[in-house]
Amino acid sequence: QSVLTQPPSVSGAPGQRVTISCTGSSSNIGANYDVHWYQQFPGEVPRLLIYRDASRPSGVPDRFSGSRSGTAASLAITGLQAEDEADYYCQSYDSVLNAVLFGGGTKVTVL
Amino acid sequence: EAQLVESGGGSVQSGGSLSLSCAASGLNFGAYPMTWVRQAPGKGLQWVSTVTATGATNWYADSLRGRVIISRDNSKRTVSLHMTSLRAENTATYYCGKGPVGGGLLQDIMRVDIWGKGTTVIVSS
Repeated sequence: QSVLTQPPSVSGAPGQRVTISCTGSSSNIGANYDVHWYQQFPGEVPRLLIYRDASRPSGVPDRFSGSRSGTAASLAITGLQAEDEADYYCQSYDSVLNAVLFGGGTKVTVL
Repeated sequence: EAQLVESGGGSVQSGGSLSLSCAASGLNFGAYPMTWVRQAPGKGLQWVSTVTATGATNWYADSLRGRVIISRDNSKRTVSLHMTSLRAENTATYYCGKGPVGGGLLQDIMRVDIWGKGTTVIVSS
């Protein structure tokens, strides 16, 4: 079980807004360490989607946004599209473990 | 265009060793920290190790510490991961990745901006 907890799956109809939570603790997200998000299509390489909580690399649509509050972070996808079907992972650092953590991943399904 | 290409994966018996390599092109390799991340079949991403841009400092996941060594050769634009005492649970695709320009703290350089395509390690018992 991951130290960063994500829901295994979320789904939504095209055009809807979905959010993916990433719940940590006081030694990682709650300690204000950066949260990054990655997108991975089946059989493909992960790609950086959101960095430093809410920044988007060039080329990432502004439909994707990140936020954080307390010991949790969230990734929101607005105007959900079929091409957004993928696995999404959060990442942060833990000061007690002195290690990099990934969430367990969330599969987004477009209905 | 920046590119990372891993090599060295393959099949190995439990208890064996393997060295992975990652060659960089199209970027100022020596300016960036590098990270290895693995993904077991059908599973999520797992951080393995990170090394600073100069190679002076490195970090390892607890589950692998003592059995892996990360190193880099900036003159050859390569980063390597030497793994020993391999176990079946080490079967995974191993990705190398480039981090952001930053200081010497793991929390500042952990993210992966650019990923290689990965190399597959299969450990059989």
